Amino acid sequence: DTEVTQTPKHLVMGMTNKKSLKCEQHMGHRAMYWYKQKAKKPPELMFVYSYEKLSINESVPSRFSPECPNSSLLNLHLHALQPEDSALYLCASSQGAGGERNYGYTFGSGTRLTVV
Amino acid sequence: GQNIDQPTEMTATEGAIVQINCTYQTSGFNGLFWYQQHAGEAPTFLSYNVLDGLEEKGRFSSFLSRSKGYSYLLLKELQMKDSASYLCAVRYYGQNFVFGPGTRLSVLP
Repeated sequence: DTEVTQTPKHLVMGMTNKKSLKCEQHMGHRAMYWYKQKAKKPPELMFVYSYEKLSINESVPSRFSPECPNSSLLNLHLHALQPEDSALYLCASSQGAGGERNYGYTFGSGTRLTVV
Repeated sequence: GQNIDQPTEMTATEGAIVQINCTYQTSGFNGLFWYQQHAGEAPTFLSYNVLDGLEEKGRFSSFLSRSKGYSYLLLKELQMKDSASYLCAVRYYGQNFVFGPGTRLSVLP
């Protein structure tokens, strides 16, 4: 299995809703990432988990809450989002985080989130 | 910071060759990646360079000069399906990827 699987592919939610995005990989990768991407912009890093521990939080608002239940799963819990949070949310994984050799990322296909 | 610069948009003709440049700050450099991203889809890995020189993979090649903080992605025999955004991403020691702004390539018939 050489994929990162994200669900759902599309999500429409109201500003008072609570929802979760899910990401799964079975490549034995020990680092997992959440990125946010607006149209015609590059991906922006939100969170990094390394060996199931949160290692980087790029000053993301608390209405986004990541969770790593185990080495294969990564969730992003959403609560009280704003319309400007509408974007493509990408999950990625790599063998390691930081400076270890050729650790390229494998990206999931993303969740297209619309906040209404 | 580690500013990464790429041209915002490029246009080329089917069958032609196009070169997409990327410049970056060299301090702490530990590898450069090129990704292709079609609109609304996930980025997909194209190439990786950590040493100077050219890496060739089919119609795509990537070049790196570490001393100049410069890389390019060369696409040959362009096809319509190559219309996409091309992201240059640099890894720095002890840090995660820094993505460039991306270059939107349009291939015209």
